[in-house]
Amino acid sequence: QKEVEQDPGPLSVPEGAIVSLNCTYSNSAFQYFMWYRQYSRKGPELLMYTYSSGNKEDGRFTAQVDKSSKYISLFIRDSQPSDSATYLCAMSLTGFQKLVFGTGTRLLVSP
Amino acid sequence: GAVVSQHPSRVICKSGTSVKIECRSLDFQATTMFWYRQFPKKSLMLMATSNEGSKATYEQGVEKDKFLINHASLTLSTLTVTSAHPEDSSFYICSARDNPSSGANVLTFGAGSRLTVL
Repeated sequence: QKEVEQDPGPLSVPEGAIVSLNCTYSNSAFQYFMWYRQYSRKGPELLMYTYSSGNKEDGRFTAQVDKSSKYISLFIRDSQPSDSATYLCAMSLTGFQKLVFGTGTRLLVSP
Repeated sequence: GAVVSQHPSRVICKSGTSVKIECRSLDFQATTMFWYRQFPKKSLMLMATSNEGSKATYEQGVEKDKFLINHASLTLSTLTVTSAHPEDSSFYICSARDNPSSGANVLTFGAGSRLTVL
């Protein structure tokens, strides 16, 4: 079993849709949870990070962590074609070091 | 914001040669940098943690003699793939920890280097 599972997609949605991206994990010791966006042939860009359980909102993006279910989500409201990218979840035991990544979900937002 | 520059972005080499990839933190000092490897449709896999002024720490299964890491200054870490073979073809990405005004240590990634070994 992989430490972090993420559906690779692709996930295709029309512009304006609400997008839900998810990851499950097996290591209950993970404390830090991040979402990165990666455009083709580019490095990952940090979108949001949370510590432990709970929700965090930043503009059109909302990150949720449910440690009891070992499940994290990223919601994108009013999706735009420019949101088309691969979204990677990542997590760690102690902050921003030794991150364990999911495979990434490819999102396609059509105009 | 913090910027990490990686060079070259693409490199093609013959089997048996060595290739060096540079990772620079442009506007901050990074005592720690991380090197990742990414295969198509696969996760980023941490290869090693590069510490300025000391030896790198390699993850299990990563050959330290194959992937030489040097972190000679607070703004530069290099990864040298020695005696490259076609199976070393991959996307190599470095990252560095920054400490912006928010006070949180976040990882900034370089744009990656695509290595193709013929």
